[in-house]
Amino acid sequence: GENVEQHPSTLSVQEGDSAVIKCTYSDSASNYFPWYKQELGKRPQLIIDIRSNVGEKKDQRIAVTLNKTAKHFSLHITETQPEDSAVYFCAARSGGYQKVTFGIGTKLQVIP
Amino acid sequence: NAGVMQNPRHLVRRRGQEARLRCSPMKGHSHVYWYRQLPEEGLKFMVYLQKENIIDESGMPKERFSAEFPKEGPSILRIQQVVRGDSAAYFCASSPRWDGEEKLFFGSGTQLSVL
Repeated sequence: GENVEQHPSTLSVQEGDSAVIKCTYSDSASNYFPWYKQELGKRPQLIIDIRSNVGEKKDQRIAVTLNKTAKHFSLHITETQPEDSAVYFCAARSGGYQKVTFGIGTKLQVIP
Repeated sequence: NAGVMQNPRHLVRRRGQEARLRCSPMKGHSHVYWYRQLPEEGLKFMVYLQKENIIDESGMPKERFSAEFPKEGPSILRIQQVVRGDSAAYFCASSPRWDGEEKLFFGSGTQLSVL
């Protein structure tokens, strides 16, 4: 089955700086890579996703890049704000349905 | 659209009791996924169901755990004879179809505490 590795496990940045979270996956057949944000005690919420036929996608301050050859994808948050503080999960989907495998999560702290 | 609804939000059980967790998918969604989240860990896939069918239960323990998604009513995750190790947050997610063109939407989860 699919295995997703995520790092770092914790990340502290100053407000206004950029944050980068990196993930690798094992199944070369994986074709969809969502990123979820989970605030304490709340549900995971999709913030951005990318499909395997795209190398980069951007949505305001958030961008995701995908390197299929290296089986590596990353989340970039620019101009971080205190409300960006949360746990971020990367995930990869393989197979014909929405069974996604999640990374272990990155706890991001944005220091005002 | 009320979103994915899970209840109860919090469930306390003593060892040996049964836990029933309910999930109503978003309107129009016929695919339900259950995930378990242990403290300080990621989300682990448990089971994928369509109406009246279990499609993939590869992540669900073979004993004590069962899931169903009847034609009418919510999806139910049932844990019999709970043990302390079952304490976790259980999240349900739904999607309208399986072909990957639609995103997963999560419910608010049920926090199960086993005393």
